[in-house]
Amino acid sequence: DIQMTQSPSTLSASVGDRVTITCRASQSISSWLAWYQQKPGKAPKLLISKASSLESGVPSRFSGSGSGTEFTLTISSLQPDDFATYYCQQYNSQSSFGQGTKLEIK
Amino acid sequence: EVQLVESGGGLVQPGRSLRLSCAASGFTFEDYAMHWVRQAPGKGLEWVSSISWKSGSIGYADSVKGRFTISRDNAKNSLYLQMNSLRAEDMALYYCAKDTTVRGFINAFDFWGQGTMVTVSS
Repeated sequence: DIQMTQSPSTLSASVGDRVTITCRASQSISSWLAWYQQKPGKAPKLLISKASSLESGVPSRFSGSGSGTEFTLTISSLQPDDFATYYCQQYNSQSSFGQGTKLEIK
Repeated sequence: EVQLVESGGGLVQPGRSLRLSCAASGFTFEDYAMHWVRQAPGKGLEWVSSISWKSGSIGYADSVKGRFTISRDNAKNSLYLQMNSLRAEDMALYYCAKDTTVRGFINAFDFWGQGTMVTVSS
């Protein structure tokens, strides 16, 4: 099974900050990685697939990069609506999620 | 508009069974793989199971293998999860999710339902 590890688990930041979340896979997953945003009481929302492909309607301040075992999600300038929990998901071999990164207001 | 509506959750005793359903609309259901993902209270997302568009490929997380069975009825635009021998650690909100890719198996999940809660307790 492929294990996904996100860091940090919690991130405190301010509106306007540039933030980066890292996701590491226990073995190579090529570019078969997605990022999701989840707000309390809501279902997850797909932001990025294939490591760097932005979903339709997702603001361009979100970007993804990486391949193999190391991936990043970057938000270029945090907006109030971005404070949420973010998950990575691999789909190279069945599927698994990272443990999540909670993005909090500083 | 894509809609996924889960049902069938509830309170069940350890060792008993429950069957979840997901009613899909707004897309050509038979063309897409479908998935179940769960989230225990206050915890992260856990992939549970996936089924391809024609049910030819099926996958399970190790934590549910041998106890849960995924199935679909394309004529009824419905996805199911039969859960047997339920344990306390199965208690979670169960989401149904649609795959992004036509006639694929497991890719990213672009639409999610609101979930149905399963509580396992004596």
